[in-house]
Amino acid sequence: NAGVTQTPKFQVLKTGQSMTLQCAQDMNHEYMSWYRQDPGMGLRLIHYSVGAGITDQGEVPNGYNVSRSTTEDFPLRLLSAAPSQTSVYFCASSRGSQGHAPLHFGNGTRLTVT
Amino acid sequence: AQKITQTQPGMFVQEKEAVTLDCTYDTSDQSYGLFWYKQPSSGEMIFLIYQGSYDEQNATEGRYSLNFQKARKSANLVISASQLGDSAMYFCAMREGYGNDMRFGAGTRLTVKP
Repeated sequence: NAGVTQTPKFQVLKTGQSMTLQCAQDMNHEYMSWYRQDPGMGLRLIHYSVGAGITDQGEVPNGYNVSRSTTEDFPLRLLSAAPSQTSVYFCASSRGSQGHAPLHFGNGTRLTVT
Repeated sequence: AQKITQTQPGMFVQEKEAVTLDCTYDTSDQSYGLFWYKQPSSGEMIFLIYQGSYDEQNATEGRYSLNFQKARKSANLVISASQLGDSAMYFCAMREGYGNDMRFGAGTRLTVKP
């Protein structure tokens, strides 16, 4: 019963480094998304995907890249890390993207950029 | 664009009492879903309750109920008989129609006092 699995749980990067946050789900969900959580700002959507081969931007996409080559995986790439990207990142998925579908979340990745 | 407002950054409640967490939303869609999530100090996001825009009855899940007032565009979460384990951040969220993402409010931190 893995659900949504995110790796790593913690990461420290230096400014300018790149890295990929991994996200995998085993529920055959069509919809996947990435959020960042910052104090006092709730969760803000970075990118989302309604199915394999389809991605779209959310509220705060700058500095991030995604791809969706399979239904299961939705990695988030930081192209050149900046201190402003210090945050907690959540991957989430749902069966479909209709208004009634709740999101299932991974346990988050805490990223610090120095 | 959809917008979710949670006006209470922090709330306190005595153990065993009921508490209401406020949420208002803004949308021009007729079809949408409203959700509440709990985030304990351990960091995971836990789905609590869902209300559809066409549902005539207020949603209930155990000690959680959603006070849905469509004309006022409010979707308040009511927790009855508060327990110490209810201390957490609570997020209100909305998802419109089809093929859309979920947007979150800034959250309310609930503290249950013994």
